[in-house]
Amino acid sequence: KNEVEQSPQNLTAQEGEFITINCSYSVGISALHWLQQHPGGGIVSLFMLSSGKKKHGRLIATINIQEKHSSLHITASHPRDSAVYICAVTPLGGTYKYIFGTGTRLKVLA
Amino acid sequence: ETGVTQSPTHLIKTRGQQVTLRCSSQSGHNTVSWYQQALGQGPQFIFQYYREEENGRGNFPPRFSGLQFPNYSSELNVNALELDDSALYLCASSRDSQPQHFGDGTRLSIL
Repeated sequence: KNEVEQSPQNLTAQEGEFITINCSYSVGISALHWLQQHPGGGIVSLFMLSSGKKKHGRLIATINIQEKHSSLHITASHPRDSAVYICAVTPLGGTYKYIFGTGTRLKVLA
Repeated sequence: ETGVTQSPTHLIKTRGQQVTLRCSSQSGHNTVSWYQQALGQGPQFIFQYYREEENGRGNFPPRFSGLQFPNYSSELNVNALELDDSALYLCASSRDSQPQHFGDGTRLSIL
């Protein structure tokens, strides 16, 4: 079983829809990250969370530490949001490494 | 500030050969991590360097090795290449526990 699980694996939405991507993890963490990966391979950090909720533009990320669960929401989705969204955690311990989920491939149709 | 740059962007090698991938981190970033991403999968942690010392290693054999230099650059070396080593190799740098900044990766193909 992977230490970080995401759902769904693939998601197709119509422009304007509200989107939710879920992430569950099984290890103790110091932080959880949401990242975006475009087809070329580059990865961009969207959020780093250790508690509560963060908002940036149309993106909202929440985390429930007790339930070991996080969600990424996209409001008023747009075709330019099409990308792979990846959840990653920094486990407790001496390194600052990331443990990644397998990603959610999002396609937003015009 | 300059971002994280990786070279080369693409590389083709044959089984048994050796390869060196390079990464230039952002100025002031004392931590560099390397990840391997197979097609359709999430990245897997290879190892991390903190102030030029290895600071953690994932489940990769010793033929994967690395170096971090004082000028914020780093290298990933892979010996005795195998077909399964075909992947996107990502470098990421940060200042301590701050969010990592990723390069665009090197796509390595093994024939």
